[in-house]
Amino acid sequence: GAVVSQHPSRVICKSGTSVKIECRSLDFQATTMFWYRQFPKQSLMLMATSNEGSKATYEQGVEKDKFLINHASLTLSTLTVTSAHPEDSSFYICSASIPGQGTNTEAFFGQGTRLTVV
Amino acid sequence: AQSVAQPEDQVNVAEGNPLTVKCTYSVSGNPYLFWYVQYPNRGLQFLLKYITGDNLVKGSYGFEAEFNKSQTSFHLKKPSALVSDSALYFCAVRAPGNTPLVFGKGTRLSVIA
Repeated sequence: GAVVSQHPSRVICKSGTSVKIECRSLDFQATTMFWYRQFPKQSLMLMATSNEGSKATYEQGVEKDKFLINHASLTLSTLTVTSAHPEDSSFYICSASIPGQGTNTEAFFGQGTRLTVV
Repeated sequence: AQSVAQPEDQVNVAEGNPLTVKCTYSVSGNPYLFWYVQYPNRGLQFLLKYITGDNLVKGSYGFEAEFNKSQTSFHLKKPSALVSDSALYFCAVRAPGNTPLVFGKGTRLSVIA
C-alpha cells in the first residue's frame, strides 16, 4: 500500500517552545491530509484538514493559532504546536488517501508522533 | 452525521479460539466502513474495508468482517486468534469523497496463550 511517513516519532520539549511535526506521502501526491490527536486509551479525534495551497480547516474547539498547519507541497504537510504546554502532550497522527479514488480507498496513516511537554 | 460505536472496551480470548470485535454504525446514505489496528506507539494499519458487494469482507492477517445492513453492524472476526493479534482495534466510517475517517472509541483485544 501507499506510504505515509511522519517525523519525528518522539519528541520531548520544554513548556513555551514550539514543535514541528512533518507528514509526508512518499509514493503519491496528497492534496489533502488529515491531522488527528489521540489521548491515552482513547480514540483518534480529527483536529484539522490540511489542504495543499490553501488554509487548513480546523475542527471545532481546535485553536488554529496554536496548531499551525502548512501544506506547502503535494507531499508534505506540517503541524507546528506553538508555545507548547504540558496539556498538549499527546499522540499526533496524520493520514492521507490517494487522490481520485474517493471513498473507495482506505486512508494511510503515519507512524504517529508522541509529544511530551515538560 | 456519520458515527460508529464499539460497545466493548476490552475483549479477551484464548489463543486458537475465534474472536469477534463488535462495531455498529450510523450513517446517512451508503456506509463506507473500515477496520484498522494499532500497536503501541504506532500509527494505524489498514485491515479491511466494505464499500459495496459481498457482505463478507476478507482482509489482512486472516481477519474478516461481516456487513449486516439490517443490524447496522460491521463486526470484525477471525477464526483462530493469535497472541500477536493483541492490539487496539478501531472501526471507522467515512462520508463520500476525500473526507476524514470517523473512528469508534477502539477495542483492546487481548489474546492469551
